[in-house]
Amino acid sequence: EAQVTQNPRYLITVTGKKLTVTCSQNMNHEYMSWYRQDPGLGLRQIYYSMNVEVTDKGDVPEGYKVSRKEKRNFPLILESPSPNQTSLYFCASRPGAWGNTEAFFGQGTRLTVV
Amino acid sequence: AQSVSQHNHHVILSEAASLELGCNYSYGGTVNLFWYVQYPGQHLQLLLKYFSGDPLVKGIKGFEAEFIKSKFSFNLRKPSVQWSDTAEYFCAVYSSASKIIFGSGTRLSIRP
Repeated sequence: EAQVTQNPRYLITVTGKKLTVTCSQNMNHEYMSWYRQDPGLGLRQIYYSMNVEVTDKGDVPEGYKVSRKEKRNFPLILESPSPNQTSLYFCASRPGAWGNTEAFFGQGTRLTVV
Repeated sequence: AQSVSQHNHHVILSEAASLELGCNYSYGGTVNLFWYVQYPGQHLQLLLKYFSGDPLVKGIKGFEAEFIKSKFSFNLRKPSVQWSDTAEYFCAVYSSASKIIFGSGTRLSIRP
């Protein structure tokens, strides 16, 4: 089954404790991205990757890092989480960066930073 | 910069009522448009998409949307809603920066 898998689904952590949210897709998609969803703000892109070893900042990249060492995986790293990073995070993948392709989303990770 | 506006933040309807959710985008080039739905506690799923051709697009679960270029709009419609349509709906547009930009979402509540 074609899917985007995120882990964990729920995470509560303390300020400053490094964490990683994993994302994996089995569709051989080139393009992957991370979004955060906050009430009234919709989805905002954090980082994206057009292919292996090619990553770039989205609209709200501060406080986040990513890596793309393999095509299928695109982890999101919070080196020193802060309470304003409490949010619902979605990983998404697309076949490519061109316009006429839809995004496939993971199940989401609800992160709480206390 | 490209943007997407969804003016209805929360819509409340009774079952069998007709639905229209507004979406306006600001992008002058060739547009690729999407509507996604997020059911409570779930991830976003594609409802329908417009890339080219017939401006009236039909999607899953009886939803449709009409692309009106002159109005920069891509409104979502359904003739008769059901309780199971309770969800949050996101309009999105592909931007020239190789990414999809989402609107702020419209929460739809259906009274049984």
